[in-house]
Amino acid sequence: EMQLLESGGGLVQPGGSLRLSCAASGFTFSGYAMSWVRQAPGKGLEWVSSISGTGIGTYYADSVKGRFTISRDNSKSTLYLQMNSLRAEDTAVYYCAKGAGVIAVAATPDVVFHHWGQGTRVTVSS
Amino acid sequence: DIQMTQSPSTLSASVGDRVTITCRASQSISDWLAWYQQKPGKGPKLLIYKASNLQSGVPSRFSGSGSGTEFTLTISSVQPDDFATYYCQQYNTYPFTFGPGTKVDIK
Repeated sequence: EMQLLESGGGLVQPGGSLRLSCAASGFTFSGYAMSWVRQAPGKGLEWVSSISGTGIGTYYADSVKGRFTISRDNSKSTLYLQMNSLRAEDTAVYYCAKGAGVIAVAATPDVVFHHWGQGTRVTVSS
Repeated sequence: DIQMTQSPSTLSASVGDRVTITCRASQSISDWLAWYQQKPGKGPKLLIYKASNLQSGVPSRFSGSGSGTEFTLTISSVQPDDFATYYCQQYNTYPFTFGPGTKVDIK
């Protein structure tokens, strides 16, 4: 059974750092693009970042560009999100999502979010 | 960025009702549109991709249509398990963007 399990969330002060992980199982991890999507308390969904199956192609929302880094370790079937210079507005539940194929290029079937994890909560507050 | 809007924001329905949710894009996205269902405390679930394709395992009472800038999600006969929030999302262009959501609750 396909499973995505996020971890690494918690309470951090403004300006601090966190690294989120998403452990994948039940499918060939390297064969799929992966993404992070967040949801602020009581709000809607916001795309954060995507990465191709090879790890070569990466994409970021302007709101996190230069502060967040998406990466993956295909040998460990794990997706990461390194979050630096955190702000109060980064407070959210962070979900990892699996694509339908290996590439993360827009306007392709591969990039739609086919399967989601349960999320990990990040709170940025002093 | 492509802006996505949804209407209505809240919809009250009874079991067995036909429900339609509309999603509009600020510019053409061809048919690169997905619909997701989210229940409280859970991650979203893909229902429809490429505007009208039913994801495997999703009941056939869900259907999607549209292209360009206007799209609809229809539930032909709402069931108790369908009371949730529904989001549309464009994946035509980065940054990918979601609609604000439509909450379907019990009348």
